[in-house]
Amino acid sequence: GEDVEQSLFLSVREGDSSVINCTYTDSSSTYLYWYKQEPGAGLQLLTYIFSNMDMKQDQRLTVLLNKKDKHLSLRIADTQTGDSAIYFCAESDQGGKLIFGQGTELSVKP
Amino acid sequence: DAGITQSPRHKVTETGTPVTLRCHQTENHRYMYWYRQDPGHGLRLIHYSYGVKDTDKGEVSDGYSVSRSKTEDFLLTLESATSSQTSVYFCAISESASTEAFFGQGTRLTVV
Repeated sequence: GEDVEQSLFLSVREGDSSVINCTYTDSSSTYLYWYKQEPGAGLQLLTYIFSNMDMKQDQRLTVLLNKKDKHLSLRIADTQTGDSAIYFCAESDQGGKLIFGQGTELSVKP
Repeated sequence: DAGITQSPRHKVTETGTPVTLRCHQTENHRYMYWYRQDPGHGLRLIHYSYGVKDTDKGEVSDGYSVSRSKTEDFLLTLESATSSQTSVYFCAISESASTEAFFGQGTRLTVV
């Protein structure tokens, strides 16, 4: 079945780059997403990438997609304390349903 | 924020009682989803709807039912709540199957 895997924790210093990794299994996924969840809040869509793209950049965010290895990464440049949150990777199936990873808790230390 | 309102935001209920959670949208989006979030599992799909009166099961549908009698409302019912259904429930909407989903703020349900 479909499965999405993420490491659970990442700790970085303010100003450094953060890289959050994700692997997925469904090669037919059309879109892959990154969501951010702050404590007590819902999920906020950060960015997404079409499966026929290798890279997408949006201000401090860079998404890299390696379709051969089914590996997705999110790089946050110049990480700030406000970036501390849980980041979810998700793939969508043909019906638009999202399959989420467990989430990576990013901790940014001053 | 997308126009999604979940109610109630918090609820404590007793084992064996029925519970209904409501998701209301003002975006006129066709697709609506109910997910639950539990530690170590991320979010898992319970049920979804692709139109009025059109619903289907997700990964963890046992013990849950849904109804969608109009575009803007998607109801999730726990017929007889159990402690394993203690969770945070999120509603999401999307315009189509190939567009991004937007999430509500969540409902924290505790079954005692």
